Amino acid sequence: DQQVKQNSPSLSVQEGRISILNCDYTNSMFDYFLWYKKYPAEGPTFLISISSIKDKNEDGRFTVFLNKSAKHLSLHIVPSQPGDSAVYFCAASGAGGTSYGKLTFGQGTILTVHP
Amino acid sequence: EAGVTQSPTHLIKTRGQQVTLRCSPISGHTSVYWYQQALGLGLQFLLWYDEGEERNRGNFPPRFSGRQFPNYSSELNVNALELEDSALYLCASSLGGISRQPQHFGDGTRLSIL
Repeated sequence: DQQVKQNSPSLSVQEGRISILNCDYTNSMFDYFLWYKKYPAEGPTFLISISSIKDKNEDGRFTVFLNKSAKHLSLHIVPSQPGDSAVYFCAASGAGGTSYGKLTFGQGTILTVHP
Repeated sequence: EAGVTQSPTHLIKTRGQQVTLRCSPISGHTSVYWYQQALGLGLQFLLWYDEGEERNRGNFPPRFSGRQFPNYSSELNVNALELEDSALYLCASSLGGISRQPQHFGDGTRLSIL
């Protein structure tokens, strides 16, 4: 039972253009969502998060959008840079029950930004 | 500010042995989390410790255990190692006692079981 899904295994984008990474979830108890970036041989690096009381959060080039009715979130990177090339994971957590405190991760999307 | 540090970085063990992995959280963080990333699988939640207490546990057998010390560092112990325990073990930390705080990860311990 995969509660967080990233349906695109990979995404290729030209430098300077927008990168849009998508994530779907099924658990209605999730109320906090995060995006992480991971380079090979390193741990995931926190990028940006959003709580379920919001539908948008921005931090520099990164914006996360949350559509609760569709159980969908997306990460927009504008403009994309070659250094953004990495694996991107979305993650979710809930306020109680078995979801409390733990992050449930998607399978990841490999982003490649071409110069 | 120092990030989450884990030791050792790599470890090779044989089936049936026991292993201890260590994690030091970011200064000021009281919650520590452990995750497993096995080959071909995603990041799976193992354990969460806050203020020395186990707060939540993932779907792993009891031979996976851990503890958190008064200085908030943590150990993950795995007994009776099996081949499928070969994985990257990641530790994360966050501010404790407050929900909706991002978890910050170390670079992991790569455990290989022969």
